[in-house]
Amino acid sequence: DIQMTQSPSSLSASVGDRVTITCRASQDIRNSLAWYQQRPGKAPNLLVYAASRLESGVPSRFSASGSGTDYTLTISSLQPEDFVTYYCLQYSDTPRTFGQGTKVEIK
Amino acid sequence: QVQLEQSGAEVKKPGASVKVSCKTSGYKFTAYGLTWVRQAPGQGLEWMGWISGYNGNTKYAQNVQGRVTMTTDTSTNTAYMELRNLRSDDTAVYYCARIAASAFFDFWGQGTLVTVSS
Repeated sequence: DIQMTQSPSSLSASVGDRVTITCRASQDIRNSLAWYQQRPGKAPNLLVYAASRLESGVPSRFSASGSGTDYTLTISSLQPEDFVTYYCLQYSDTPRTFGQGTKVEIK
Repeated sequence: QVQLEQSGAEVKKPGASVKVSCKTSGYKFTAYGLTWVRQAPGQGLEWMGWISGYNGNTKYAQNVQGRVTMTTDTSTNTAYMELRNLRSDDTAVYYCARIAASAFFDFWGQGTLVTVSS
């Protein structure tokens, strides 16, 4: 199975800050990576697929990049609604595996 | 618009079975697969498996293999996930999601809380 190591598990930041979340795969996943945002009590919401492609309707303050085993999600200027949890998902191989999640908290 | 509507919360005793439904609309059911993902309280996301909307082929995660069955009803555009021999650690919110491009998961149901308790 491909292991996804997501870091940090949590971070504290302020409105307007730039933050970066990282996912490292245990093997090359060939850009087969998606990022999700999850609000408390809600289903995950797709932000990014194919490592860097923003889903329609996702604000431009979100960006993502990476290749091989290392991938990042960046929020350029945190807004109040961004203080939630983020997950990566690799879909290069079965079983699909998620990162452990990153909770973005208000400092 | 694409919608996935799941059945309501369930409370089950250890050893029992649960069957969660996921009624879809807004797209051609047979053109996409569906996956099931669960989330234990306060924990991360765990992939359980998937089913083809076209021919019903399935693939299950090893940790639920033998206890889970995923099915579809193309006449009602509904997917089902049955989990048997429930244990307390099966307590979780269960999500269905559509599989886009045979790859990532684009649209999700609202989730179904399954509580396993004696």
